[in-house]
Amino acid sequence: NAGVTQTPKFRVLKTGQSMTLLCAQDMNHEYMYWYRQDPGMGLRLIHYSVGEGTTAKGEVPDGYNVSRLKKQNFLLGLESAAPSQTSVYFCASSYSRGSTDTQYFGPGTRLTVL
Amino acid sequence: GENVEQHPSTLSVQEGDSAVIKCTYSDSASNYFPWYKQELGKGPQLIIDIRSNVGEKKDQRIAVTLNKTAKHFSLHITETQPEDSAVYFCAASPYKLSFGAGTTVTVRA
Repeated sequence: NAGVTQTPKFRVLKTGQSMTLLCAQDMNHEYMYWYRQDPGMGLRLIHYSVGEGTTAKGEVPDGYNVSRLKKQNFLLGLESAAPSQTSVYFCASSYSRGSTDTQYFGPGTRLTVL
Repeated sequence: GENVEQHPSTLSVQEGDSAVIKCTYSDSASNYFPWYKQELGKGPQLIIDIRSNVGEKKDQRIAVTLNKTAKHFSLHITETQPEDSAVYFCAASPYKLSFGAGTTVTVRA
């Protein structure tokens, strides 16, 4: 049981490049989330999903897109990376009732945009 | 939306002493208050949570208290040990989690 895994662990992009971050969970969780973590700002929700085939915007969705084609995977895409998107990205999942159910986090992806 | 403020931003304690982190929230509809611990290079991990129908909860050396009237909740760590050194986040949720900015705790040997 690997829990929540994220790929890649580190990535450096140039402004304007695109990339996709992959999150996978093997706990059969319905809810999945993407957060970004910046110094002094805690964790901010980018997008989330309440089930396969669904996505919704979080607190800071601009510049990101997501897809949940399979229950166990949640992809975060950056179509045209900007330096402001330099951050550590965390994926999380929860079994149900996302607002009051324990969220399990992955190890994070450190992204630098030059 | 929910706004969570967390204090202090850094906390240094002597091994064996207690550590207290305080959070306030703005949305009176919030009913779930988890605390997460993040070790260097890892993702946050839930260490304890409390729901709005409970005023206090303990788990070995950690405890959380909730004051719904004042809209604040606190994390207490007793008999601190070096492995307690980490960043701690509080969060509150009426329907989605909102996180505090984090507290970096350093336990001095």
